[in-house]
Amino acid sequence: DAMVIQNPRYQVTQFGKPVTLSCSQTLNHNVMYWYQQKSSQAPKLLFHYYDKDFNNEADTPDNFQSRRPNTSFCFLDIRSPGLGDAAMYLCATSATSGGEFEQYFGPGTRLTVT
Amino acid sequence: GENVEQHPSTLSVQEGDSAVIKCTYSDSASNYFPWYKQELGKRPQLIIDIRSNVGEKKDQRIAVTLNKTAKHFSLHITETQPEDSAVYFCAASDMRFGAGTRLTVKP
Repeated sequence: DAMVIQNPRYQVTQFGKPVTLSCSQTLNHNVMYWYQQKSSQAPKLLFHYYDKDFNNEADTPDNFQSRRPNTSFCFLDIRSPGLGDAAMYLCATSATSGGEFEQYFGPGTRLTVT
Repeated sequence: GENVEQHPSTLSVQEGDSAVIKCTYSDSASNYFPWYKQELGKRPQLIIDIRSNVGEKKDQRIAVTLNKTAKHFSLHITETQPEDSAVYFCAASDMRFGAGTRLTVKP
């Protein structure tokens, strides 16, 4: 059964046209993460939510925003995509309660910017 | 924040040999150290992890060792097989990834 779901799996957007990627989870985990992974590079942490608390990485561009309306859903908004934002975007979750830390990754959304 | 460094960036071994990948971290408060395997076009997959209250953990051909004093941890793969070929990433508690190691196992 799918535990971390990302939609869409493939997204094409135009330069400068806002785009939203979505992530949902059935694990009831309190932590959700967004990563950007470019070809032949490591996943780069953009931000994460610890419950409702938003934690932004210092080097995440302002062009990237996130929303978490409830425990199950998290969104990544790219306000004005540039060609350099083309990448795989990975969502992950983890539970910190009870000492669990394992991350569960979604399948990713591959973003193309034309 | 945490800074995780990973070496080597590429590693090529013969089938049946062992492979070792090392990571160092900077935050002494880190207490969780996962290792991920990522095959081309797929999501990272957790293969083993270790918490700071143990020094070593083993799962079949895969083991991880942790030296908290020196702030480094290592992934050990024994009896490597061609299907072990992939990119391996380490991370620490804050879930920032190391740069990755591309492992190639030659038949």
